[in-house]
Amino acid sequence: GAGVSQSPRYKVAKRGQDVALRCDPISGHVSLFWYQQALGQGPEFLTYFQNEAQLDKSGLPSDRFFAERPEGSVSTLKIQRTQQEDSAVYLCASSLDPQGYLENTEAFFGQGTRLTVV
Amino acid sequence: AQSVAQPEDQVNVAEGNPLTVKCTYSVSGNPYLFWYVQYPNRGLQFLLKYITGDNLVKGSYGFEAEFNKSQTSFHLKKPSALVSDSALYFCAVRDTLRAGNMLTFGGGTRLMVKP
Repeated sequence: GAGVSQSPRYKVAKRGQDVALRCDPISGHVSLFWYQQALGQGPEFLTYFQNEAQLDKSGLPSDRFFAERPEGSVSTLKIQRTQQEDSAVYLCASSLDPQGYLENTEAFFGQGTRLTVV
Repeated sequence: AQSVAQPEDQVNVAEGNPLTVKCTYSVSGNPYLFWYVQYPNRGLQFLLKYITGDNLVKGSYGFEAEFNKSQTSFHLKKPSALVSDSALYFCAVRDTLRAGNMLTFGGGTRLMVKP
């Protein structure tokens, strides 16, 4: 597609419920990132994929958070047993460069999924 | 660890006046620097980047930014502000020495351009 697509745009979950957030990156983009943006703050890194390999998951806040990209394209961020502090906008981004040393280093972001845990 | 500071929560400017949104950074290696803009209920939109070369980089919508290595700054500028420039602006850095390609973002600066 023309840009990064995320679904759903909005999700309301009851505390303790599991949720799954989907990201469709730009076709051909090797790198895929998930970020969490709390209200009034800048995005914070969660995890990074290069193709299907999850190379960095240092930003995942707890073992309730899990991400996958099994075929190197679509990615899913799953949050188990959601808590109120998980309420945030979850942003997905993709970029072309596979090694991080090319000119095409900018990441293109989706519109995000706003998760509200009640 | 890499970090980004945007010292101003909000910048107010009159339409037609020049604007500056400040950003300073800290990295261990050479920085890749970025500016993104976020409109309400929209994702982050890429404005411009500094990788190497000329310290003054030009980007979308008439914005430019100046890389200053000695001051570790990358301030965003525009000669003449428009009301439609009102949005949330984020500075971000990637450390070329750090494994992985993640961006570290500043806290954001809200730009308000008044007619």
